[in-house]
Amino acid sequence: DAGVTQSPTHLIKTRGQHVTLRCSPISGHKSVSWYQQVLGQGPQFIFQYYEKEERGRGNFPDRFSARQFPNYSSELNVNALLLGDSALYLCASSLERHSPLHFGNGTRLTVT
Amino acid sequence: GQQLNQSPQSMFIQEGEDVSMNCTSSSIFNTWLWYKQDPGEGPVLLIALYKAGELTSNGRLTAQFGITRKDSFLNISASIPSDVGIYFCAGQPYTGNQFYFGTGTSLTVIP
Repeated sequence: DAGVTQSPTHLIKTRGQHVTLRCSPISGHKSVSWYQQVLGQGPQFIFQYYEKEERGRGNFPDRFSARQFPNYSSELNVNALLLGDSALYLCASSLERHSPLHFGNGTRLTVT
Repeated sequence: GQQLNQSPQSMFIQEGEDVSMNCTSSSIFNTWLWYKQDPGEGPVLLIALYKAGELTSNGRLTAQFGITRKDSFLNISASIPSDVGIYFCAGQPYTGNQFYFGTGTSLTVIP
């Protein structure tokens, strides 16, 4: 069975630009969560979506937004990129809202 | 937000040795997870714990859900070179949907 897939794997953007990251969950998983991981730190929660509705939001500015589609895939959007947005963005899917997270390999975003 | 403290921050051990690491929280959690992350990859789920006092094994790995619900422990027996990586704990409180992650324990195994 395919695991969580994320695209693209790497991305280089300049300050002020916009970026869209994509995630396909494990088949049968209804919940998708997004995490930001800065080098040397643990993942930080950004969003959780369950059954296409936002179920949780971390301490991130409104420049960050996300959505979940009817097939349970998800997109994370970041507007007006800042240098500090450079990080590994991880998508995780889970069977239900409180089930363990299964991560993809992430999208490495570099903002210059 | 919740703070999870992992210790030790890093470990350098000889192949064959046992490893112990722990994670403590300022709040009570109802689920504890342990992950391993290799460079360039996402975290991989190792063990999930759901009840205080629960002891769960996955091969050479054993994890425990602390009685206070504010801590968890991971042990690796007879370490091998492929155990190298960063180990993260994650906890989920009774309220809310997010998991909070620790700062990680970096493990190096010397052959």
